[in-house]
Amino acid sequence: ETGVTQTPRHLVMGMTNKKSLKCEQHLGHNAMYWYKQSAKKPLELMFVYSLEERVENNSVPSRFSPECPNSSHLFLHLHTLQPEDSALYLCASSPEPSGTYNEQFFGPGTRLTVL
Amino acid sequence: EDQVTQSPEALRLQEGESSSLNCSYTVSGLRGLFWYRQDPGKGPEFLFTLYSAGEEKEKERLKATLTKKESFLHITAPKPEDSATYLCAVQEKGAQKLVFGQGTRLTINP
Repeated sequence: ETGVTQTPRHLVMGMTNKKSLKCEQHLGHNAMYWYKQSAKKPLELMFVYSLEERVENNSVPSRFSPECPNSSHLFLHLHTLQPEDSALYLCASSPEPSGTYNEQFFGPGTRLTVL
Repeated sequence: EDQVTQSPEALRLQEGESSSLNCSYTVSGLRGLFWYRQDPGKGPEFLFTLYSAGEEKEKERLKATLTKKESFLHITAPKPEDSATYLCAVQEKGAQKLVFGQGTRLTINP
């Protein structure tokens, strides 16, 4: 595996379900990110982790819960979502979050549909 | 607050017809400006980083330039495979996050 991988690629869930999105980066980077991409809107940053420590939470509802067990893995735990949470969820990584080199490399995304 | 505005929202060109996409930004102290390409149903693909006014970078038919207020992505003699949404993002000095524009959806007709 190379780059940034995400599973599952597609997810349909009911409002009462609990599910998790997984991201893995194979680039040796120190920072990882969750973004939400909705139709007709710019990418919205949700969370930033640097060396497994959360450094930014962009006012995201508590029904989204991130977890970063190590610098290569990132999870987004979902529970009691709303239909408006349906979107493409993208994971990204970068060498470091705020240093000289912050090119972020994205995974393919998880297309989430909440019924 | 940092703002990024891309224009046009959509652009349709004939194969071989060169043009430019615009990214205007407002940020207090630019760390970097980033261009990405995104194909439908896929994650953004990194293209360029520009750090200072006057800087230019090229990759195949694409050339990115930067001024103090905006960046241009010039596409020379495009091909149908260049069709995609092009995203611009800025990072403020000392900040962790990138602020993205809404993108320009580019279609190249054969």
